[in-house]
Amino acid sequence: DGGITQSPKYLFRKEGQNVTLSCEQNLNHDAMYWYRQDPGQGLRLIYYSQIVNDFQKGDIAEGYSVSREKKESFPLTVTSAQKNPTAFYLCASSKGTAPANYGYTFGSGTRLTVV
Amino acid sequence: AQKVTQAQTEISVVEKEDVTLDCVYETRDTTYYLFWYKQPPSGELVFLIRRNSFDEQNEISGRYSWNFQKSTSSFNFTITASQVVDSAVYFCALRDGGFKTIFGAGTRLFVKA
Repeated sequence: DGGITQSPKYLFRKEGQNVTLSCEQNLNHDAMYWYRQDPGQGLRLIYYSQIVNDFQKGDIAEGYSVSREKKESFPLTVTSAQKNPTAFYLCASSKGTAPANYGYTFGSGTRLTVV
Repeated sequence: AQKVTQAQTEISVVEKEDVTLDCVYETRDTTYYLFWYKQPPSGELVFLIRRNSFDEQNEISGRYSWNFQKSTSSFNFTITASQVVDSAVYFCALRDGGFKTIFGAGTRLFVKA
């Protein structure tokens, strides 16, 4: 079955450490997104990518970095510059570069905790 | 600027009750799209419906129905005869002429047996 796979499901990060969250899709979708979810808040966009080798900052990109070397993969790195990284991270994809025409497909998320 | 407001933080109902989740949006664009997503305890958001700004027809899908009213900028979601499996967080979202989709804060629905 096609879908989005996020790993790991749970991740613990020490202070000052960089960590990378994996996101892989086999839906042949062009666009991919990373959202952050905090309790009581909606999803906030971190980065998005419409095509391979291209990505744009979302609303809260500071302290994060991404790459899009393959259509299927859109990993997110949470750097030590992100001062409050504890959150639930969701990866999503959409069929076209105009996601208004389609709903997003989401992964099952990665819960990141700073220890 | 875009904005999506889900004023109900949590709703608790007893099984078989009907429940309506409210969504109010703001946008300056005349062309826009509205969405509802369900987030069960597993964490993955599931797409439920998309509605564009030119289509104010209400939609029914099984026990789910959606009421889109441009005059009040609302896109409300009703679950009829709720079930325990409906317990989840529900998000309303808006996409207009830009590339980003804006999500509301979500409404957590508890359905008790």
